[in-house]
Amino acid sequence: AQSVTQPDIHITVSEGASLELRCNYSYGATPYLFWYVQSPGQGLQLLLKYFSGDTLVQGIKGFEAEFKRSQSSFNLRKPSVHWSDAAEYFCAVARRGNNDMRFGAGTRLTVKP
Amino acid sequence: KAGVTQTPRYLIKTRGQQVTLSCSPISGHRSVSWYQQTPGQGLQFLFEYFSETQRNKGNFPGRFSGRQFSNSRSEMNVSTLELGDSALYLCASTQGAITDTQYFGPGTRLTVL
Repeated sequence: AQSVTQPDIHITVSEGASLELRCNYSYGATPYLFWYVQSPGQGLQLLLKYFSGDTLVQGIKGFEAEFKRSQSSFNLRKPSVHWSDAAEYFCAVARRGNNDMRFGAGTRLTVKP
Repeated sequence: KAGVTQTPRYLIKTRGQQVTLSCSPISGHRSVSWYQQTPGQGLQFLFEYFSETQRNKGNFPGRFSGRQFSNSRSEMNVSTLELGDSALYLCASTQGAITDTQYFGPGTRLTVL
């Protein structure tokens, strides 16, 4: 069964520092991969997605993610974090051709001034 | 274009009651998916409706059901509520393909007493 692991429950970074949020998936074939962000009291907003092709994916708000097949990983990065990036981040996978999306447990990001 | 709307935003029920939640997708979107979000279990996929038919289903008991109308609006029903059903229920809409971006609503916060 497909699954997603986000090893870090909570991460704190200083404003202006770089950020990397980890995501590992378990699935027989390469699934579709997504990163979402959820601010308190809000729904989820898609940051970026990977279906195929270039393994470095650019998203909104200055985020990018790199798909590494050999490591079954899809880590999210941002070179310089802003205070407004404080939120919860979810990695998700979906089987190709199926809208059944599986989410990781989420990583809560705190940004220090 | 208006986003995904969910009503009501907050709901308090008692054990044993039933509840119906509503989701209006973005105009032109034909797929609606429902998710349950709890602190303990995270985000879990309930089901997806496309053109009034259930296309995918997660691993939830039969107390959880849904339907979709001809205008793509969707309702989710939970019968015989249990304390563990307290959660944020999110719906998301797409045009229909998994490669389409899912747009999430703000959710309905259900509290079961």
